Amino acid sequence: DVKVTQSSRYLVKRTGEKVFLECVQDMDHENMFWYRQDPGLGLRLIYFSYDVKMKEKGDIPEGYSVSREKKERFSLILESASTNQTSMYLCASSLGQGRDEQYFGPGTRLTVT
Amino acid sequence: GQSLEQPSEVTAVEGAIVQINCTYQTSGFYGLSWYQQHDGGAPTFLSYNALDGLEETGRFSSFLSRSDSYGYLLLQELQMKDSASYFCAVGSGSARQLTFGSGTQLTVLP
Repeated sequence: DVKVTQSSRYLVKRTGEKVFLECVQDMDHENMFWYRQDPGLGLRLIYFSYDVKMKEKGDIPEGYSVSREKKERFSLILESASTNQTSMYLCASSLGQGRDEQYFGPGTRLTVT
Repeated sequence: GQSLEQPSEVTAVEGAIVQINCTYQTSGFYGLSWYQQHDGGAPTFLSYNALDGLEETGRFSSFLSRSDSYGYLLLQELQMKDSASYFCAVGSGSARQLTFGSGTQLTVLP
């Protein structure tokens, strides 16, 4: 089974802190994604990566950056956390062919105070 | 850009059939996917349509009409455990990245 793990299930940070969210997948998938999920808004794509060191902006990249130094690991960075970044963050990976199936991690509930 | 519309809530009784519709506007299209998410859980893949027609997987079926930019998820013989949020999503772009609808909360009543 594909397994996607995220470094923390819950995280509380202060405004202005730099925040790192880590995601690791164990199926040698080419593509990895970061989403945030807010009530009534569904899942919104922040950034994605289709290869090591390659990244592209999604729909809401402002205030975020990413890093993919190894194929299995994709990090989301909040350079200076703000209260409007309080959200559920979901990481996913996919093979990038066939039926577009994405495998999601359990999510990180981030609260910025 | 992409946009998808689906109903925000649907309620049905155990054993019934329910259809969740999804309309989309997209500048690129690989296929229409459906994901299920229980409260507190991660989204999980349910089905995928790249071509027009119906795909069946057990109690769940999904339909796509590319000419109408429309699809639906059909859930039969509803069970209490089907109470969850259901998201349609369109795949496009270099990584076949998904754009998700805002989700439909399905409540199954006894």
